[in-house]
This record gives sequence, structure tokens and C-alpha cells, in this order.
Amino acid sequence: AQSVAQPEDQVNVAEGNPLTVKCTYSVSGNPYLFWYVQYPNRGLQFLLKYITGDNLVKGSYGFEAEFNKSQTSFHLKKPSALVSDSALYFCAVRDDGTNDYKLSFGAGTTVTVRA
Amino acid sequence: GAVVSQHPSWVICKSGTSVKIECRSLDFQATTMFWYRQFPKQSLMLMATSNEGSKATYEQGVEKDKFLINHASLTLSTLTVTSAHPEDSSFYICSASGERTQYFGAGTRLSVL
Repeated sequence: AQSVAQPEDQVNVAEGNPLTVKCTYSVSGNPYLFWYVQYPNRGLQFLLKYITGDNLVKGSYGFEAEFNKSQTSFHLKKPSALVSDSALYFCAVRDDGTNDYKLSFGAGTTVTVRA
Repeated sequence: GAVVSQHPSWVICKSGTSVKIECRSLDFQATTMFWYRQFPKQSLMLMATSNEGSKATYEQGVEKDKFLINHASLTLSTLTVTSAHPEDSSFYICSASGERTQYFGAGTRLSVL
């Protein structure tokens, strides 16, 4: 079984401040972890993924995420948020032991960056 | 990066008609594609898994005769909403699997009158 939790429905930050969006996961085997961003009436845009290797993963638009196996977390971070980062963010996981390629998504976190 | 094209982006149709949505992987071959439905301010709900050359696998509660999926080539999957009704109005999103990652289309907003 695989699942993801995003404990915060909303995150509000001021432009220029650090942004963190939290994600914890549960899998039976090893996790493949992903972050996606969704703008209104659009599909999901891929930001970054952790498959294996370095725990700190760098992605698009200045975002990064740190894989923490002991805490089963994969929080998304950006050192200095922009107003244009305001969107809906989804964390997703796949158990590497499955062969159906299905992802389990979190409920999503709405990020609002105020000018 | 991998590009997935979804068409149309918006469709309005009359109740009882059928609507076809196309999903294409433009720069990679996708053995597996997925179809999701998303309600306002909610997460994605997986409807079905589409495998090239074989029948789609539907999630529990999804009517396979209503949501027809065809994956005839490694770059194209289609979802046909048959005899659409107002309750089928929703945002439909496809994705294609490549490099151990799912890449998503821009979505299709379906409004059934």
C-alpha cells in the first residue's frame, strides 16, 4: 500500500520569504516521490522527483525537496518565494515494488504568496 | 522535458452526446497512460490505466462502458465520454508514463448542458 499526506491545506507567505510545503509518505518498499504544481484550469506540471541518490533534489523554478527516510518526509522548499508561485501543489508517491506505475496523490496544498 | 498534449482544452456539449478527448505524448513513447478526473479544489481521482495494445484497467466505481478508453499507439490514448450527462461535467486530465515519471496534459474542461 502507498499513501501520501499533505498536512496543510493552505500555506501563506510573503514574497521573498522562504516557502515550505510539507509531505509525508507511506510505502511498503522504497518510495519514488514527486512534486507537481497546478495553476487554475491547467494540468499538473512536474517540478521534481526523488528516485534514488542524493537526498536533496533540485527541480524547476528554484524549487528543491529533501528526502528524509527516517521521518518519511519529502518537503518542498523554495528559499525566496515569488507571487507567481501561488498555485496548488501536489505531492505524490509510488512504491518501487509495484509495476503498475500508479501514483498516490496528496490532497494538495494551496500556496498563496502575497506581494 | 517530456511533453504531453491534451485536446480539446474546453468542450461544451449537449446531454446525450459523446465527447472524445485525446492525449498525446509528443517527444517520448508511453506504454502506459492514465486518465484522471478532478473536482474543484480536490485532488486527482484515477479513473483508468491505459496500456498500449490492450484493454484499459478501470478503477472501482468507474463505468467502463461510459468512459471508453483506447490506446492504439505508443503516443496516443483517447477517452470517450459516451452519452454524456450534466453529472459528467468535470475536469479530465491525462498523463503519460516515461522515465519513471508521470507527465500530465493540460486538462480538458467538460461542460454538459
